[in-house]
Amino acid sequence: EDQVTQSPEALRLQEGESSSLNCSYTVSGLRGLFWYRQDPGKGPEFLFTLYSAGEEKEKERLKATLTKKESFLHITAPKPEDSATYLCAVQVGAGGTSYGKLTFGQGTILTVHP
Amino acid sequence: DSGVTQTPKHLITATGQRVTLRCSPRSGDLSVYWYQQSLDQGLQFLIQYYNGEERAKGNILERFSAQQFPDLHSELNLSSLELGDSALYFCASGKGTVSFYGYTFGSGTRLTVV
Repeated sequence: EDQVTQSPEALRLQEGESSSLNCSYTVSGLRGLFWYRQDPGKGPEFLFTLYSAGEEKEKERLKATLTKKESFLHITAPKPEDSATYLCAVQVGAGGTSYGKLTFGQGTILTVHP
Repeated sequence: DSGVTQTPKHLITATGQRVTLRCSPRSGDLSVYWYQQSLDQGLQFLIQYYNGEERAKGNILERFSAQQFPDLHSELNLSSLELGDSALYFCASGKGTVSFYGYTFGSGTRLTVV
């Protein structure tokens, strides 16, 4: 069974204090790894898709990286508006009953204090 | 606004009742996905439709059913409701059967069963 584990469960940072969130996965036939941001009471907002080990993507203060077993979301000099829950998800081989299904981790709740 | 419209935003109903949640996908998107988010289970995939046809199924209860209509909107029907069905229900939409570019979530319907 596909498994996605995120750590830490919660992370408190001071504004400007850089850190990383971890997403480790155990799947058969990874097709893509996704990062989403979710604000309270709202739907997840797409950030990145990573397809192969060694790939990196950046957006503003966020940088996502992928290895064969895990992904990291690096947050550089965070601001209070970066406070949210960050979700990692995997998509495995399409076809059969899998198709577009994403398997999500439990998320990391990030709080950035001014 | 993500472009994915879910109604109603909030729903309070009694155990044993039946409710229908509605989702209109982004213009041009043919796939609709339904997810359930609860505090203990996180985001769980329920079902996917593509252009009116069921394409993937997760751990969706037999009491739950869904369909996608010719105009591409989708409805999730929940019957014989139990207290444990209380959760946020999200709809997401994407262009193809497998959305490697990340699909777009709506803002969700919060269901409370009392």
